Amino acid sequence: DVQLVESGGGLVQPGGSLRLSCAASGFTVITNYMTWVRQAPGKGLEWVSVIYSGGSTYYADSVKGRFTISRDHSTNTLYLQMNSLRVEDTAIYYCARHRVGGTSWFDPWGQGTLVTVSS
Amino acid sequence: EIVVTQSPATLSVSPGERATLSCRASQSVTTNLAWYQQKPGQAPRLLIYGASTRATGIPARFSGSGSGTEFTLTISSLQSEDFAVYFCQQYNNWPPYTFGQGTKLEI
Repeated sequence: DVQLVESGGGLVQPGGSLRLSCAASGFTVITNYMTWVRQAPGKGLEWVSVIYSGGSTYYADSVKGRFTISRDHSTNTLYLQMNSLRVEDTAIYYCARHRVGGTSWFDPWGQGTLVTVSS
Repeated sequence: EIVVTQSPATLSVSPGERATLSCRASQSVTTNLAWYQQKPGQAPRLLIYGASTRATGIPARFSGSGSGTEFTLTISSLQSEDFAVYFCQQYNNWPPYTFGQGTKLEI
């Protein structure tokens, strides 16, 4: 069964750092395009970052230069390193698999992990 | 960046009735559009991809249509479990992938 499980969220002060993990089962992370999407409390969905199967990475302008997406083949895990966090980064962060490369919908999604940036 | 706009923001419908949700893209996305359902406290769930193809396990009462810039999600006979928030997403021009702001379907 294909499954994604996020972890690593929590409360952090503005300017702090956090690393999110997304453990995959039922498929191999490095042979798929993988994405992070976030949802601020009571708001809509915002795409954050993608990593291609070939390793290329792209970011939303709102997080460029502060967030880094990566993956680990040995643990079949996707990561999101978040630095210089801002109050407006507060959100539930979801990881998701692209079904067919870049021009693709996202399925499945993980259950999400909450990041709260506050002093 | 392609802007995706959903309407209405909230739709009030009775169980058993038909619901029609709209999604508009600021430029053509051909049929590279997906619909997701999100219930409170849950992750989004894929309903429709390719504008009109139902995902695995999605009931036939859900249907998608449209191409270019105008798209519709129709739920033919609403069940109690269908009351949720629905998002559309374009994946034709990326990055960034962009979502509509959502339509809340309420009783």
